[in-house]
Amino acid sequence: EDKVVQSPLSLVVHEGDTVTLNCSYEVTNFRSLLWYKQEKKAPTFLFMLTSSGIEKKSGRLSSILDKKELFSILNITATQTGDSAIYLCAVRTKSGYSTLTFGKGTMLLVSP
Amino acid sequence: NAGVTQTPKFQVLKTGQSMTLQCAQDMNHNSMYWYRQDPGMGLRLIYYSASEGTTDKGEVPNGYNVSRLNKREFSLRLESAAPSQTSVYFCASSEGRGAGELFFGEGSRLTVL
Repeated sequence: EDKVVQSPLSLVVHEGDTVTLNCSYEVTNFRSLLWYKQEKKAPTFLFMLTSSGIEKKSGRLSSILDKKELFSILNITATQTGDSAIYLCAVRTKSGYSTLTFGKGTMLLVSP
Repeated sequence: NAGVTQTPKFQVLKTGQSMTLQCAQDMNHNSMYWYRQDPGMGLRLIYYSASEGTTDKGEVPNGYNVSRLNKREFSLRLESAAPSQTSVYFCASSEGRGAGELFFGEGSRLTVL
């Protein structure tokens, strides 16, 4: 059974802090790992990672994948209150038609 | 700019009642999905449709049925609602066969009393 574990489950930081969110996985035939941000409604796509060691970056957010150790991290620098959200990690496998298996998410609260 | 549209956004049912959640996408995507999200449980896949004319069970299909009406529309039906089906339901779509990112609708909050 495919498994995706995110940590921590929740986190409170002050505006301006840097945060690191973790996602580890145990799946057969890994294909890609995706990060989503969920504010009040629909999850919105952040990154898709397929290769180890290649950082994906968008503004203050960045993410990297380690396929040997089976994890990914999502970094947010200089956090703002608008970064408060649930961050979801999901993994896609190669076998047949592969759907996404999601972790439980990390709830981030950035206080002013 | 509609993307994925779900209706209704909120619904309250009594145990045993039936209802259908509607979903439509205007991105010409082949694949569509229904997820449910419960506190502390993340997103769990109920059913998906890899392409028009096909549907398959996901992780938690019991108590649900789906119909891929055409390429645009994918509905989720609760035949006899139970309190355990109280949840937020998300429809999503993606371009290709098990590839690429999912685009989500804004969710439907269902309460079963």
